[in-house]
Amino acid sequence: DTEVTQTPKHLVMGMTNKKSLKCEQHMGHRAMYWYKQKAKKPPELMFVYSYEKLSINESVPSRFSPECPNSSLLNLHLHALQPEDSALYLCASTPDSGDQPQHFGDGTRLSIL
Amino acid sequence: GESVGLHLPTLSVQEGDNSIINCAYSNSASDYFIWYKQESGKGPQFIIDIRSNMDKRQGQRVTVLLNKTVKHLSLQIAATQPGDSAVYFCADRFSGGYNKLIFGAGTRLAVHP
Repeated sequence: DTEVTQTPKHLVMGMTNKKSLKCEQHMGHRAMYWYKQKAKKPPELMFVYSYEKLSINESVPSRFSPECPNSSLLNLHLHALQPEDSALYLCASTPDSGDQPQHFGDGTRLSIL
Repeated sequence: GESVGLHLPTLSVQEGDNSIINCAYSNSASDYFIWYKQESGKGPQFIIDIRSNMDKRQGQRVTVLLNKTVKHLSLQIAATQPGDSAVYFCADRFSGGYNKLIFGAGTRLAVHP
């Protein structure tokens, strides 16, 4: 079982919907990450939060809006997504921003109709 | 890692044999390297890491070798088991910064009884 919990596991939404993905960890980690993974491709970094502050945005379209309400929780708000945004969205965390492996959740499988 | 090509390379091995999975990285400034295992429907799972001041590191049944001269990383799995069947990703991190990882394209390991 992973220590990074992502909900929901699956999400189907229309292009006009607004939904949110949630990620939670209780390991006391202070850095959290969002990745996008298309089928048969490696994960691609989207956002990095360090001590609840956004530190990296990899030129992600504004229809994806991250939020870090506290050190244990990371959200990804979705609005007006496109079919090509269908993918597995992974959350990860590390104790801080040093040389540590990122701990991943099992992701949310998102399908845009 | 380098994310190249549209096809996921596959390594097929017999149960009990040793497996070697290779990875090339492109940034000579990378200072930290990680191997992940990803099973179907799951997030990437940490296997082993190595820092650039080392050239070899051993774990339980796994060994990572780093050759900085040719920017090459390999993962050796001893006595491969059916449970080792998965996609394996290498990832490297630029020195400094916020633990931003670049993932390689991945290799599928298929273990046959």
